[in-house]
Amino acid sequence: QSVLTQPPSASGTPGQRVTISCSGSSSNIGTNTVSWFQQLPGTAPKLLIYSHNQRPSGVPDRFSGSKSGTSASLAISGLQSEDEADYYCAAWDDSLDGWVFGGGTKLTVL
Amino acid sequence: EVQLVESGGGLVQPGGSLRLSCAASGFTFSSFNMNWVRQAPGKGLEWVSFISSTGDTIYYADSVKGRFTISRDNAKNSLYLQMNSLRDEDTAVYYCARDRNGDFDFWGQGTLVTVSS
Repeated sequence: QSVLTQPPSASGTPGQRVTISCSGSSSNIGTNTVSWFQQLPGTAPKLLIYSHNQRPSGVPDRFSGSKSGTSASLAISGLQSEDEADYYCAAWDDSLDGWVFGGGTKLTVL
Repeated sequence: EVQLVESGGGLVQPGGSLRLSCAASGFTFSSFNMNWVRQAPGKGLEWVSFISSTGDTIYYADSVKGRFTISRDNAKNSLYLQMNSLRDEDTAVYYCARDRNGDFDFWGQGTLVTVSS
């Protein structure tokens, strides 16, 4: 059971907007910044969003992040087939003195 | 170009030991905190351990505390994970990840550790 809770799956058609939620608590998301990672099949994870809503260089602006209280969300607009991947949220947890990840959301582009 | 290359994975029996290495290049290794993150087959990501840039601050996940030891050699631009008393549930791909102010901004390609008799 992961400390951060994500839906196991999400889906959308090309061009659609989809959102993936990440629910935590006051000791992690409520206090610290949230990162999102994209993991394409058979590859290492890649940083997608950091500090709740910042994109590293090279990440399209179709990807955006937000945080409210003890929850965070990743939004993908203009969905493309190459967005089909697993997505993970993460945050530092002050109670555990360690990083915690969500269980991951498998995004399918229909 | 930032590169992180893990090595040292393989097949080991339960109760055995293994030492993973992560060779860093393309950046000033001594300026960055580092982490190990693992992923069991078909499962999600699990953080394993953190070490500060100087090595004086270290954290472990409860699942590995007392069995795994993280270390680094800044002169050799290398990160290590000594894994002892290995269990079946330690079977996973182990990634090293650079920590830029709390963000895992670069990851290696991973090395597979299989614990089985």
